[in-house]
Amino acid sequence: DTEVTQTPKHLVMGMTNKKSLKCEQHMGHRAMYWYKQKAKKPPELMFVYSYEKLSINESVPSRFSPECPNSSLLNLHLHALQPEDSALYLCASSQGERAGTSGRFRKTQYFGPGTRLLVL
Amino acid sequence: AQKVTQAQTEISVVEKEDVTLDCVYETRDTTYYLFWYKQPPSGELVFLIRRNSFDEQNEISGRYSWNFQKSTSSFNFTITASQVVDSAVYFCALGKMIYNQGGKLIFGQGTELSVKP
Repeated sequence: DTEVTQTPKHLVMGMTNKKSLKCEQHMGHRAMYWYKQKAKKPPELMFVYSYEKLSINESVPSRFSPECPNSSLLNLHLHALQPEDSALYLCASSQGERAGTSGRFRKTQYFGPGTRLLVL
Repeated sequence: AQKVTQAQTEISVVEKEDVTLDCVYETRDTTYYLFWYKQPPSGELVFLIRRNSFDEQNEISGRYSWNFQKSTSSFNFTITASQVVDSAVYFCALGKMIYNQGGKLIFGQGTELSVKP
């Protein structure tokens, strides 16, 4: 089973709202990822959690706040977003690699169906 | 710097035609991993293949085949006898490990394939 689930599928929010995106996987993966994708563009990495710890933050504005409550769950908390934040938000998971690992990134990432976010 | 280039932005073919999607990459690493993903209109990225740089054998999976050529830094993807269900955006990606942080994918810009009946 290579399923990653995301809720909600669609979200419309105002600039003053607070909302959360949720992602779940039951593949025993220890790395989870948040991506943002604008139309006609490739996904852009936002955050990486490795063994439940934030390992990569790609200089994402603080109005996006990730959280990894346990190895199966990943949340993205949204607050005071701007209309330009409207996009498809994708979650992915992969087998983890321990901190300090050198070498090549070889883990396959499995993606969820995404949340289409519209900020008004 | 690591980079992936998919020069074909859009391709349109008629059903049953063969089509090749090009992918050229740049890396200074001597060993590395390459990936292809399919993104249908529904939005989910579907994993298709992972290839390591020290295995230059071509791969075939049903109507899909991949041609990896290290000498030209290319990892092309061919769909034989295309079908309407193959219509999607296809992304080629290169794996990058950031020491003590984790791994990430470097994506190409994607090729939008449209297969018409």
